[in-house]
Amino acid sequence: DTAVSQTPKYLVTQMGNDKSIKCEQNLGHDTMYWYKQDSKKFLKIMFSYNNKELIINETVPNRFSPKSPDKAHLNLHINSLELGDSAVYFCASSQDHAAGGDTQYFGPGTRLTVL
Amino acid sequence: AQSVTQPDIHITVSEGASLELRCNYSYGATPYLFWYVQSPGQGLQLLLKYFSGDTLVQGIKGFEAEFKRSQSSFNLRKPSVHWSDAAEYFCAVGSNDYKLSFGAGTTVTVRA
Repeated sequence: DTAVSQTPKYLVTQMGNDKSIKCEQNLGHDTMYWYKQDSKKFLKIMFSYNNKELIINETVPNRFSPKSPDKAHLNLHINSLELGDSAVYFCASSQDHAAGGDTQYFGPGTRLTVL
Repeated sequence: AQSVTQPDIHITVSEGASLELRCNYSYGATPYLFWYVQSPGQGLQLLLKYFSGDTLVQGIKGFEAEFKRSQSSFNLRKPSVHWSDAAEYFCAVGSNDYKLSFGAGTTVTVRA
């Protein structure tokens, strides 16, 4: 009964490769997010989708492309991976985006290591 | 833009002792404030949140936090820590531009 799930949990790849991380939520929420947690554990928002529409797009290289096939899924595709992309990527969801106080529910994270 | 400061990078506390984690925020309007906990290798779990009303908020696992507008603070407390409380704790502020901004986190180590 996992609320927010991500696959894979671990991803090790070579520089220059293209990879995808998948996220699914079964909470019936309208909004989903991608966060990046760096080696110092600092969490930063990357993207947010509400009902399949992009509503937050922080300063992220265009090698990162989110895709939301439906409101229960938000995938993250990364082209031409670089060493600096190594991090833990968290997916999250919330009922609504309009209220800044909406609780966000986080997935378990995907640890990406670029060699 | 909103921001969060967690002044303590690392706190060590003995099992059974009290714990207080500091959080200061910067936001022009009434903030939405959150505390999340991240256990090793896990995702983030919400401990508690404050929107309005009573400034002392009760959360899960015996945690509470107090909102002090005059000090722009939202400190987290627990009267008696358990070994399982060893984790990373994040304070966050939400705003009406849809974003949740996190502090840098405080690592809590519990010694026997």
